[in-house]
Amino acid sequence: AQKVTQAQTEISVVEKEDVTLDCVYETRDTTYYLFWYKQPPSGELVFLIRRNSFDEQNEISGRYSWNFQKSTSSFNFTITASQVVDSAVYFCALSEPGNTPLVFGKGTRLSVIA
Amino acid sequence: EAGVAQSPRYKIIEKRQSVAFWCNPISGHATLYWYQQILGQGPKLLIQFQNNGVVDDSQLPKDRFSAERLKGVDSTLKIQPAKLEDSAVYLCASSLGLVAYEQYFGPGTRLTVT
Repeated sequence: AQKVTQAQTEISVVEKEDVTLDCVYETRDTTYYLFWYKQPPSGELVFLIRRNSFDEQNEISGRYSWNFQKSTSSFNFTITASQVVDSAVYFCALSEPGNTPLVFGKGTRLSVIA
Repeated sequence: EAGVAQSPRYKIIEKRQSVAFWCNPISGHATLYWYQQILGQGPKLLIQFQNNGVVDDSQLPKDRFSAERLKGVDSTLKIQPAKLEDSAVYLCASSLGLVAYEQYFGPGTRLTVT
């Protein structure tokens, strides 16, 4: 069965600090897809990234970077030089092939203090 | 491009009353999802449509919840009768297809059952 664990419930950092959000997943499939979504106070989930299980290259997009390690079943998300606008709940999610639903972790609430 | 539209944004009802939520997906997106997000948790899939057919409704409490997607475009989710534990945010999402495509979310409807 699929499972996504985000052990950090809440994180608080001061602006310009770097912060890493952890995500550990469980799946029996060798093919799967991992996602990160951001949910700002407005409530709308915003898609950030999708990664398939065969692509272990790390990805960087501006201040955001993702570290995918199959050996530890982790897909961690780092924000460099955090800003107040990064304050939100961040969700990691897992999808398997076929008509299986997207499974979300419980989310990590990030607060960036000016 | 217009995003996923949902209405109403907020709804307060008493237990045992009924309520309906509406969703209009992104144009051209064949797959539509309804999620329930209870405070402090990640979204949980209730039902998934591909065009106007149901793909997965295994987690929909069918004794009180129903959903339809007539003509394969917009969709309605209904709760009748509502219970206190139905208080949550109901999110609609859409995607191009079933597997691996990123899902785009609407702003959600916050339901409070008193």
